[in-house]
Amino acid sequence: SYELTQPPSVSVSPGQTAKITCSGDTLPTQFTYWYQQKPGQAPVLIIYKDTERPSGIPERFSGSSSGTTVTLTIHGVQAEDEADYHCQSADSSGTGFGGGTKLTVL
Amino acid sequence: QVTLRESGPALVNPTQTLTLTCNFSGFSLTTEGMCVTWIRQPPGKALEWLGFIDWEDDKFYSTSLRARLTISQDTSKNQVVLRMTNMDPADTATYYCARIMHSEYRYGMDVWGQGTTVTVSS
Repeated sequence: SYELTQPPSVSVSPGQTAKITCSGDTLPTQFTYWYQQKPGQAPVLIIYKDTERPSGIPERFSGSSSGTTVTLTIHGVQAEDEADYHCQSADSSGTGFGGGTKLTVL
Repeated sequence: QVTLRESGPALVNPTQTLTLTCNFSGFSLTTEGMCVTWIRQPPGKALEWLGFIDWEDDKFYSTSLRARLTISQDTSKNQVVLRMTNMDPADTATYYCARIMHSEYRYGMDVWGQGTTVTVSS
């Protein structure tokens, strides 16, 4: 099962820290991935295997995991971080996405 | 440089079969650990995984759409083809293909195509 729950929206002021959660019963046994998607664009992988960051992704993006909840943290949020964020979990037979969270930078 | 590009019809009639092609470059689907996956996103809605094909030509499909989907590859052309039967207006979405490179990202989709928008309407 890949049923993942995300908050529909999160708001934060510039320079503050944003936390976006993703919950699912199978997360303790599966890696989680995070994507950033700006309007009219394809998603971009920003976190893989719970906590790893692909090259080119700013250090202010980090991932953590605790039990059935994983968290994407964005330190020192910038205006350019306003976007939709999607979590994904997977195993050898398939994958699934959360409903997405719209991050608004106030 | 790794690139993927989706192509296919922008408009499909209800009950018809949709055929989309993903042309990729910069990697080989015969290399161990490589996969190409299909994802769609209805307007204003969440991403939905459809299926993927791996380097051993194994296919894995979304449980809810399995009966309607077929994914195949033409390694000589660096193409992956998605076929979805019995299209319905609810299938209106932007369809993406993306690469999965197990050795580096496990199941993370590290490179995406730009997406192609498909509208199902008579």
